[in-house]
Amino acid sequence: EPEVTQTPSHQVTQMGQEVILRCVPISNHLYFYWYRQILGQKVEFLVSFYNNEISEKSEIFDDQFSVERPDGSNFTLKIRSTKLEDSAMYFCARQDRGQTGELFFGEGSRLTVL
Amino acid sequence: SQQGEEDPQALSIQEGENATMNCSYKTSINNLQWYRQNSGRGLVHLILIRSNEREKHSGRLRVTLDTSKKSSSLLITASRAADTASYFCASVLIQGAQKLVFGQGTRLTINP
Repeated sequence: EPEVTQTPSHQVTQMGQEVILRCVPISNHLYFYWYRQILGQKVEFLVSFYNNEISEKSEIFDDQFSVERPDGSNFTLKIRSTKLEDSAMYFCARQDRGQTGELFFGEGSRLTVL
Repeated sequence: SQQGEEDPQALSIQEGENATMNCSYKTSINNLQWYRQNSGRGLVHLILIRSNEREKHSGRLRVTLDTSKKSSSLLITASRAADTASYFCASVLIQGAQKLVFGQGTRLTINP
């Protein structure tokens, strides 16, 4: 049983369109993360979310990105106006023990921007 | 600078042999973790070693940490075809943000 469920598994969108990626943690946890992986490259940190607030974000996470936990369960990543270079796998992860423990990742959402 | 670089980038061995992957990092860490990723799938946590530990075992996995050399190694013994995957090290820094910083990964292929 997956620890974290992500939807959609694959989304194709036109450049400039808005995209919302969703993550549903199975258990009630406080620490969540979004990472992305461009094909063939390393896994890059985007943003961490603690107690319903952004705790840290990377340089990649510019004004085009936002995160929310609108209903206390779903955890969403929104890209307002997609660019070609946003094409990547986006992974949601939760963390159990503070901010230094292991991460439990979802299977990822593959975003293709045309 | 890169925090977490794996070596080699790719490794191909025969089933039954041992596979060793190395990871180097640049700044002081709280702990170092190894993850596995099958092609197109999510990352799966394998093992965590804290900065005050030198060696840790989990099944066929053995991880070492040398903080003086800022390096870690992952040994998979008696490899199986199912071990074919990419392996990433990830570190949690002592200072600054507590996020995990991943390396480039080692692509391991086990030939039957």
